[in-house]
Amino acid sequence: AQSVTQLGSHVSVSEGALVLLRCNYSSSVPPYLFWYVQYPNQGLQLLLKYTTGATLVKGINGFEAEFKKSETSFHLTKPSAHMSDAAEYFCAVSDYSGGGADGLTFGKGTHLIIQP
Amino acid sequence: GAVVSQHPSWVICKSGTSVKIECRSLDFQATTMFWYRQFPKQSLMLMATSNEGSKATYEQGVEKDKFLINHASLTLSTLTVTSAHPEDSSFYICSARVDQGYSGYTFGSGTRLTVV
Repeated sequence: AQSVTQLGSHVSVSEGALVLLRCNYSSSVPPYLFWYVQYPNQGLQLLLKYTTGATLVKGINGFEAEFKKSETSFHLTKPSAHMSDAAEYFCAVSDYSGGGADGLTFGKGTHLIIQP
Repeated sequence: GAVVSQHPSWVICKSGTSVKIECRSLDFQATTMFWYRQFPKQSLMLMATSNEGSKATYEQGVEKDKFLINHASLTLSTLTVTSAHPEDSSFYICSARVDQGYSGYTFGSGTRLTVV
C-alpha cells in the first residue's frame, strides 16, 4: 500500500517569494505522482504529474516538481508566488500495481497563504 | 478534453431523505469512476470505485447500503446518499480515470451536501 505525507498543513509566503510545498511518499512500486490544486468549494485541478522519464516535471501556472527516488520525495515549487496561488494543494500517488484500489491516495493537503 | 461534469454543485436536504449526485464524462468514455468524500479542511478519502456494468467496490468502513453507486453507462455514474443524516454532510467529489493506464485522472467540481 502507498501513502503520502505532506509536511506543513499551512505554508505562508510573501508575494514574489519562492513557493516550496513538500511531499514524501511510500510505495512498493515505482510511483505515479501528482500535484493538484483546490480552490474553495471546487474540485481538483491537475498541476502536474510524474509517470516515467524526466524527473523534473513542469506544470501549469509556473509550478514544477522534481521526483527524487532516493529521497522518496516529489516537492512542488514555484519561483515567484502570486496572490492567485492561494489555495489548497494536494499531493497524490496512484496505485497501478493492480492489486489494490484503483483511485488516488492523497496527502492531507497544504494550505498555501500568500502575504501581500 | 477529459471533462467530468458533476451535479448538483450543492444541495440541502432534510434528514431521512435521499439525495442523488451525478457525474458525467462529457468527451470521453469512463470505464472507471471514483467517489471521494472530503470533510472541511481535510483530505479526500476514497469511498468507492465503480466500473461500468458491474457492482461498485467500496472502501473499508463505507456503508454500501447508505451510499449507493450506479455506473450504468460509460458516461454516467451516480452516488445516492440514502436516508441522509447530518453526519453525512460533506463535500463529495467524483473522478474518472481518463485512460486505461493509471496516470490520468480528472475530477468533477464537487457537491456540497448539507443535511438539516
